[in-house]
Amino acid sequence: GENVEQHPSTLSVQEGDSAVIKCTYSDSASNYFPWYKQELGKRPQLIIDIRSNVGEKKDQRIAVTLNKTAKHFSLHITETQPEDSAVYFCAASISGTSYGKLTFGQGTILTVHP
Amino acid sequence: EAEVAQSPRYKITEKSQAVAFWCDPISGHATLYWYRQILGQGPELLVQFQDESVVDDSQLPKDRFSAERLKGVDSTLKIQPAELGDSAMYLCASSSRLETPTKNIQYFGAGTRLSVL
Repeated sequence: GENVEQHPSTLSVQEGDSAVIKCTYSDSASNYFPWYKQELGKRPQLIIDIRSNVGEKKDQRIAVTLNKTAKHFSLHITETQPEDSAVYFCAASISGTSYGKLTFGQGTILTVHP
Repeated sequence: EAEVAQSPRYKITEKSQAVAFWCDPISGHATLYWYRQILGQGPELLVQFQDESVVDDSQLPKDRFSAERLKGVDSTLKIQPAELGDSAMYLCASSSRLETPTKNIQYFGAGTRLSVL
């Protein structure tokens, strides 16, 4: 089955700096890659996603890049703010059917210091 | 905005006891997922329903875990008997069958945190 590795496990940055979280996946058939943000005690929430026919996607301060050949994708957060502090999870899915199962990475604890 | 509802939010039980968790997906969502999230790790899929049918329970410890979605709406996950290693957050998620085939946006509930003593 699919295996998703996520690095780093913790990331500490100063407010205003950029943060980058990287994930690799094992199954070349995976074609949908969402990123979820989970604040302490709250539910995971989708922040951005990318499909395999796209190399990059941006939404304000966040962006995701995908390298299908190398089977890795990354989350980029620019101009970080204290409210960006949370656990971030990447995931991979083989969609194309109605059932696409998500396999998650282990998570990255991002801390943004004021 | 509609949300996935879960109850209880917290559950403390002793090992060998039975526990049950309830999930009500977003109205109209045909696909329902139960995940287990151990502290410091990502969610791991336990079971996936399409309407009332199980489509994936390959990671469900069937000797002690069971799940049902009798009318294809809300769902119950049961553990009997609970073991110390079952302490975790149990998350429910749902997605709409109307999503485009190449996407599977899953919306999560707030979870049930289980502590087995």
